[in-house]
Amino acid sequence: SQKIEQNSEALNIQEGKTATLTCNYTNYSPAYLQWYRQDPGRGPVFLLLIRENEKEKRKERLKVTFDTTLKQSLFHITASQPADSATYLCAHLNRDDKIIFGKGTRLHILP
Amino acid sequence: NAGVMQNPRHLVRRRGQEARLRCSPMKGHSHVYWYRQLPEEGLKFMVYLQKENIIDESGMPKERFSAEFPKEGPSILRIQQVVRGDSAAYFCASSANPTGTLNTEAFFGQGTRLTVV
Repeated sequence: SQKIEQNSEALNIQEGKTATLTCNYTNYSPAYLQWYRQDPGRGPVFLLLIRENEKEKRKERLKVTFDTTLKQSLFHITASQPADSATYLCAHLNRDDKIIFGKGTRLHILP
Repeated sequence: NAGVMQNPRHLVRRRGQEARLRCSPMKGHSHVYWYRQLPEEGLKFMVYLQKENIIDESGMPKERFSAEFPKEGPSILRIQQVVRGDSAAYFCASSANPTGTLNTEAFFGQGTRLTVV
């Protein structure tokens, strides 16, 4: 079955450093991947989408890569700030038009 | 343009009661998705609806759960005879197109936190 996995449940990063989150997928080849941010008690908010033919996508301090050989997407936050602390979710669209989410990685930016 | 509106934000029900969760999609959106999230768990797909049609309910338990998206009014997720295991956050998302078309993003509501006591 199609699986999308985020290996790290939690990640602590010092303020100012680059945070890198990993998303792996197995048993399929998604046409694109999405990344969302979720704060406690709130719904996910869409951040970035990257297509399979795009190696990299940037938005301000955010960067997403898509490696179809490794079946992996990396999500980077440069110059991280305490306000970046949240849970980040990787998601893909399966063949039936459903967005399927990974479990998320809780990112803590330490001041 | 208001975002996706879910109500109530918090709902407490006793075992055996019914829970009704409402979702008003963004203006112009005709595709609605419901997800369930348990503490420390990811978002689990439940059901995908378009106006007056259930497109995919493969993630919804066969018994006690139902969903609708009428021509007029919000989408409703209904849980009959609730049990403690139904306690979770339920999120609704809407999109203008099927999310597989044009790679459309989904917009989420703030969720309804159901507690069964």
